[in-house]
Order: sequence, then C-alpha cells, then structure tokens
Amino acid sequence: GDSVTQMEGPVTLSEEACLTINCTYTATGYPSLFWYVQYPGEGLQLLLKATKADDKGSNKGFEATYRKETTSFHLEKGSVQVSDSAVYFCALSRNSGNTPLVFGKGTRLSVIA
Amino acid sequence: NAGVTQTPKFQVLKTGQSMTLQCAQDMNHEYMSWYRQDPGMGLRLIHYSVGAGITDQGEVPNGYNVSRSTTEDFPLRLLSAAPSQTSVYFCASNVRGTSPLHFGNGTRLTVT
Repeated sequence: GDSVTQMEGPVTLSEEACLTINCTYTATGYPSLFWYVQYPGEGLQLLLKATKADDKGSNKGFEATYRKETTSFHLEKGSVQVSDSAVYFCALSRNSGNTPLVFGKGTRLSVIA
Repeated sequence: NAGVTQTPKFQVLKTGQSMTLQCAQDMNHEYMSWYRQDPGMGLRLIHYSVGAGITDQGEVPNGYNVSRSTTEDFPLRLLSAAPSQTSVYFCASNVRGTSPLHFGNGTRLTVT
C-alpha cells in the first residue's frame, strides 16, 4: 500500500541554520504530496503542496520539490527561526478515488536562539 | 470562520465508559475523517466519510464507531473505553479526497 517515510527526530537547530527534513514515499500512480505543520497545542495545518513531478511547493520560506525519480519530497528552509519550532508531517494522496491522505510519523523541530 | 470544531478539548474516562467526540465543520466539505495521534506513531486514520450516509474504516477502526447523518457533523463514538485509546484525536475535513485537509484543534483523551 501507499506509505510515507520521513526522517526521525527530534531535530534541534540554532536560529538561522539550514533545515532539511527528508521524506520519501511509496505509491502507485502519481500522488499529490503535502507538508503539514503542527504548532504546540494545535491541529495540523497545510504548509505547502505539489501535485505533479518537478513541481515546487513553497510557503513561509519553506520549499519542497516533487522528485518522481527518487520518490522524494524533502522539506527545506535556508534560515530557520525560533517560531518554526513545530512538528512537520509529510503526506500523500492519490489523485483518483476517495482514499484519504497517508501521513508520515512526523519530525519534531526545535530551534534555539 | 469556525472551520472544523471539536469538542471537548480534554476528557478523562474510566475503562469501560462510553463517550462521543464531536466534530462539526461549516465549510460544506464532503469528506471528513478522524485520526489519532500517538507519540512515535504519527497520525493514524480511524474512520472516514466521503459524504452524508457513507462511512468507511481506516487503519485503526477497532473500538470506534462513526455515523454521518449530515454534511456538517461526524461524531466518533467510543463504546467501551480502554487505556489503549488514550490519545489525541483529530477530526479533519476536505472538499474531496485529494484536496488539503482542514484540521480541528484536537481532543486529548485519557482512559484510566
């Protein structure tokens, strides 16, 4: 079945450091890919998405590129801030049918000043 | 904009008790789903619905029941709570299965 694997955390970075959170997927066909973010005490919210190969999703300084050849969707940010501390989830959905999203296990990021 | 509203925010149950977690959305979304979040396990799908009157099981449905009598509401019922159901529960909705999810703020349930 479809699955998402993301790097295990926690990840601790100093402010202004570069961030990469790896995400790879297994799916039939051509899924859409998402990154969600969960701030403390809140539900998940969509951070960015990409719907086809080579698409780049971006938001709030975060970027991720849909790489079909490596089945990857790594999350990157050039300079993290303390306010980026959260749990990040990679997810996929099939582009057909009614199957709900499949999530990775999440990566906790802590940014220290 | 209320979005997805979950109640209660916190609940403590004793083993064997029953309760219903409420979820309502005001975006006229056809799709609704329930997830549980446990440390190290990420989000796991419990049940989902693709429209009023239609529900289906997710990855971890045992011990939970759902129904979808209206587009707006999708309650999750625990018939006989067990300590293994201690978790944070999230309800979500979206326009269709492939579109981004809108999440509620969660219900933290503890079963003693």
